[in-house]
Amino acid sequence: AQSVTQLDSQVPVFEEAPVELRCNYSSSVSVYLFWYVQYPNQGLQLLLKYLSGSTLVKGINGFEAEFNKSQTSFHLRKPSVHISDTAEYFCAVSTYNTNAGKSTFGDGTTLTVKP
Amino acid sequence: SQTIHQWPATLVQPVGSPLSLECTVEGTSNPNLYWYRQAAGRGLQLLFYSVGIGQISSEVPQNLSASRPQDRQFILSSKKLLLSDSGFYLCAWSVHGASGYTFGSGTRLTVV
Repeated sequence: AQSVTQLDSQVPVFEEAPVELRCNYSSSVSVYLFWYVQYPNQGLQLLLKYLSGSTLVKGINGFEAEFNKSQTSFHLRKPSVHISDTAEYFCAVSTYNTNAGKSTFGDGTTLTVKP
Repeated sequence: SQTIHQWPATLVQPVGSPLSLECTVEGTSNPNLYWYRQAAGRGLQLLFYSVGIGQISSEVPQNLSASRPQDRQFILSSKKLLLSDSGFYLCAWSVHGASGYTFGSGTRLTVV
């Protein structure tokens, strides 16, 4: 079985500052990794995903994430945030042989961007 | 293109009343379908998933049930709602483990 830990439940940051949202995972087999964003009262939207190959993946809205196999981490970064990036962010993992393609989600990190 | 529809957007129901939430997917066939619940300020809890018509797997025992009468239709039901059933319900679909999920817009259920 796999698990996901998002190390920060809340991250406040000022506009135009850089941000990093941390995600660690645990799995005995190879994994696929995902970051999703959820705006208030909406469903989740896929930001980016790591399947294989280059460990640095770029997603929508200027976000990127780096897969670190030795650290079992997949941290999300953005060099300069905007007020509109205020949202809940979820890290998720699935495995190559996951039954029915199920993903396991972290508990989420609330990013609040202040003016 | 693939789309997912979920309705209603909000629902206020009295304790003991029945529930039916519907989700439909367009533009794909034989998707994996999921129902999640998100309590206020909490993460996502997988309730049910389905890999095909009539095939339902339950992740947690509870007051809810799910059905998949058609390939791209997924229904969440309850015969008698409890206060603890309140939450934000999300339907999602995927092709396989590497594809990630596409989520519906969610239903905010308040049981009073």
